[in-house]
Amino acid sequence: RKEVEQDPGPFNVPEGATVAFNCTYSNSASQSFFWYRQDCRKEPKLLMSVYSSGNEDGRFTAQLNRASQYISLLIRDSKLSDSATYLCVVKNSGYSTLTFGKGTMLLVSP
Amino acid sequence: DVKVTQSSRYLVKRTGEKVFLECVQDMDHENMFWYRQDPGLGLRLIYFSYDVKMKEKGDIPEGYSVSREKKERFSLILESASTNQTSMYLCASTLDRPSNQPQHFGDGTRLSIL
Repeated sequence: RKEVEQDPGPFNVPEGATVAFNCTYSNSASQSFFWYRQDCRKEPKLLMSVYSSGNEDGRFTAQLNRASQYISLLIRDSKLSDSATYLCVVKNSGYSTLTFGKGTMLLVSP
Repeated sequence: DVKVTQSSRYLVKRTGEKVFLECVQDMDHENMFWYRQDPGLGLRLIYFSYDVKMKEKGDIPEGYSVSREKKERFSLILESASTNQTSMYLCASTLDRPSNQPQHFGDGTRLSIL
């Protein structure tokens, strides 16, 4: 079983739509969780951390379900500038190493 | 803001050359990382370091070595470059504590081995 799994997409949505991405992880000892955003040919950039109680940052909402080992990202009112690949990232126990999903591509069209 | 600087955005080298990729961070982070990213394979950890002169193998260390002589600088070395090492190389850094710190990435180096 892959350590962090994501649907690669692409998700094609119109501007203004709401879109949700899911991610599952296999290591139950994982400690911290993040969503990164990566634009084409650029480096990954932190979008938001994911907290156990769920958290929101503007149009973005992240949820964590430790029992099901499942993380989600909800984007409301999609903008053209949201077009990117979204990486689900899990921090392992011990050293500060991260395990990255392969990413979900989002394409927002006018 | 955290600044992670990689020495080159684009690099072209020949098979068999010894290649050095440099990474510098300005936030006094203890932990530094080298990844490569390839289409369909995502980011894969090559090596990381949690302190000066300390290094740990990641998932794909073969064909690579690293050096961390100063806290702010982490170098990736391709001992004898091969065409299958053509890739995007990303350096990252993070604080050791608190434990939920994210990693911050440099702009990446696109390395082509001919």
